[in-house]
Amino acid sequence: NAGVTQTPKFQVLKTGQSMTLQCAQDMNHNSMYWYRQDPGMGLRLIYYSASEGTTDKGEVPNGYNVSRLNKREFSLRLESAAPSQTSVYFCASTGGPFQETQYFGPGTRLLVL
Amino acid sequence: GENVEQHPSTLSVQEGDSAVIKCTYSDSASNYFPWYKQELGKRPQLIIDIRSNVGEKKDQRIAVTLNKTAKHFSLHITETQPEDSAVYFCAATARAGKSTFGDGTTLTVKP
Repeated sequence: NAGVTQTPKFQVLKTGQSMTLQCAQDMNHNSMYWYRQDPGMGLRLIYYSASEGTTDKGEVPNGYNVSRLNKREFSLRLESAAPSQTSVYFCASTGGPFQETQYFGPGTRLLVL
Repeated sequence: GENVEQHPSTLSVQEGDSAVIKCTYSDSASNYFPWYKQELGKRPQLIIDIRSNVGEKKDQRIAVTLNKTAKHFSLHITETQPEDSAVYFCAATARAGKSTFGDGTTLTVKP
């Protein structure tokens, strides 16, 4: 099992450019999440998908879109990147006996100039 | 929505001492409280969790206590070692899977 995987690991964008962050999990989990992590601010939820075919906004959704492509894959798109979106992005899925434990991917470090 | 506060933001202890990190939450519907450890440059990983029907849980040098009436829970690490140095996050979950995280505590264990 690879668990949760993310691509790319690192990306540099210019203001206004677009990009898609990819996430996949092979644990047959129903729910998937995108977080951003900024220094001193913990993990903030951007979007989540409780099941295939559904997506919902989290705490900080502005400037982002998501697609739950199938049960395995959940992508995050920045349509017009801004310096305020410089952050580390983590994808996660939930499993465990009550489907509550978060399993995180390795993260994508994004720098917007 | 849920609000989770975590204290302290930084904690420095001598090797062998104990470390305690505290969190409070606001939503009385929260019923699952995990703790995650994040080493520098790595992903957060679950180290221990507790459900609302339990007051305390222990796993070797790590323990978590929960006071549901007061809406607070704590992480206790005994006999700290340098490899315990990391950022620790608490979280509260009111709906299956959707967790609200604290801002993290940077623990430094000095040899």
